[in-house]
Amino acid sequence: QQQVKQSPQSLIVQKGGIPIINCAYENTAFDYFPWYQQFPGKGPALLIAIRPDVSEKKEGRFTISFNKSAKQFSLHIMDSQPGDSATYFCAAEVTGNTPLVFGKGTRLSVIA
Amino acid sequence: EAEVAQSPRYKITEKSQAVAFWCDPISGHATLYWYRQILGQGPELLVQFQDESVVDDSQLPKDRFSAERLKGVDSTLKIQPAELGDSAMYLCASSGQLNTGELFFGEGSRLTVL
Repeated sequence: QQQVKQSPQSLIVQKGGIPIINCAYENTAFDYFPWYQQFPGKGPALLIAIRPDVSEKKEGRFTISFNKSAKQFSLHIMDSQPGDSATYFCAAEVTGNTPLVFGKGTRLSVIA
Repeated sequence: EAEVAQSPRYKITEKSQAVAFWCDPISGHATLYWYRQILGQGPELLVQFQDESVVDDSQLPKDRFSAERLKGVDSTLKIQPAELGDSAMYLCASSGQLNTGELFFGEGSRLTVL
């Protein structure tokens, strides 16, 4: 049973566009929702994370929007650049209880 | 900058052979995780250690996989015998506290079983 469902599987945007990646979860006990970025041949690295007490968090060009009632959260990348081309994973955990469970990933390509 | 070290980066083996992967977490990190990432998929937890103790190995195929962290620092993941379906990236990660906040991943060990 997949605990975190991520979409789309792949995404192609023009430079300067705003790709949006979505995740949905079922376990209402989840209380930490990070996004990881992975470049080919590298391990995932934390990009940005949110806890359910806020509906939005912004760090630089990256924004997480969180909808607790819908059990969904999404990643927005403003003014996307070719260097943002990577695979993005959403994840969730119950702090202090369960380890991170990851979505299946979204392969983003930003073309110039 | 502190990082998680893994070796080997690449391993090609024939089925039925034994393979082993090594991980050295960030100094001071008590929690260590082994994840498996099949090509095109997200990482899936295999085993989780807190210091030298196993916290969760419910997803570890124990008939062929074993993991240890004898002194609570570095860790070894072993597969014996390897099967074709074990071809994947094996990722090690560490964190300062159990199931809290950021995981720091190594670059992974890519296994190909022929």
